[in-house]
Amino acid sequence: ETGVTQTPRHLVMGMTNKKSLKCEQHLGHNAMYWYKQSAKKPLELMFVYNFKEQTENNSVPSRFSPECPNSSHLFLHLHTLQPEDSALYLCASSQEGLAEYQETQYFGPGTRLLVL
Amino acid sequence: SQQGEEDPQALSIQEGENATMNCSYKTSINNLQWYRQNSGRGLVHLILIRSNEREKHSGRLRVTLDTSKKSSSLLITASRAADTASYFCATVTAAGNKLTFGGGTRVLVKP
Repeated sequence: ETGVTQTPRHLVMGMTNKKSLKCEQHLGHNAMYWYKQSAKKPLELMFVYNFKEQTENNSVPSRFSPECPNSSHLFLHLHTLQPEDSALYLCASSQEGLAEYQETQYFGPGTRLLVL
Repeated sequence: SQQGEEDPQALSIQEGENATMNCSYKTSINNLQWYRQNSGRGLVHLILIRSNEREKHSGRLRVTLDTSKKSSSLLITASRAADTASYFCATVTAAGNKLTFGGGTRVLVKP
């Protein structure tokens, strides 16, 4: 256990559905991240939140909408997805502010998403 | 192309043997990190090496960093079947604000 949980672990949705992925970290960190991992592609950073403020949006399509209500929770709202959005979505957290540079990130187990 | 690239893409060894994988990167870094991922699960941090360090050990893991060649290696000694996983290097550039991951090396340790 890394202290980062994600729900659901598996999700199948149609292209017209709306669903949300949830991430919770119990480490007292103040930065949270969404990554997308597709087969045979490097891990792609999607969004970064520092102290609940979005600091990075890596040219992610608007059908992915993040929400960070507090430093412990992060959501990814999904709507009108495409089959190519099927992937493993990973959440991570880290402690920012203690060091000038990015330190270790702690990952959740991921949500395996299949879009039909 | 990506900042970090691992080599080889896949590696198959017998239990007890050593496994070595390499990571090359393009721009100057502040630190380089290695992570492990078991099939379909999250990444687990293994070790972090800073740009002013040349070698680091953690248990059966040994990481080297050569900033002149912009490369790092991860050595797993006396491998076990449980070491079967994908291993990723991730770099933090001088800008310092995010990790950039490579494509990973898939390691299979046969019992």
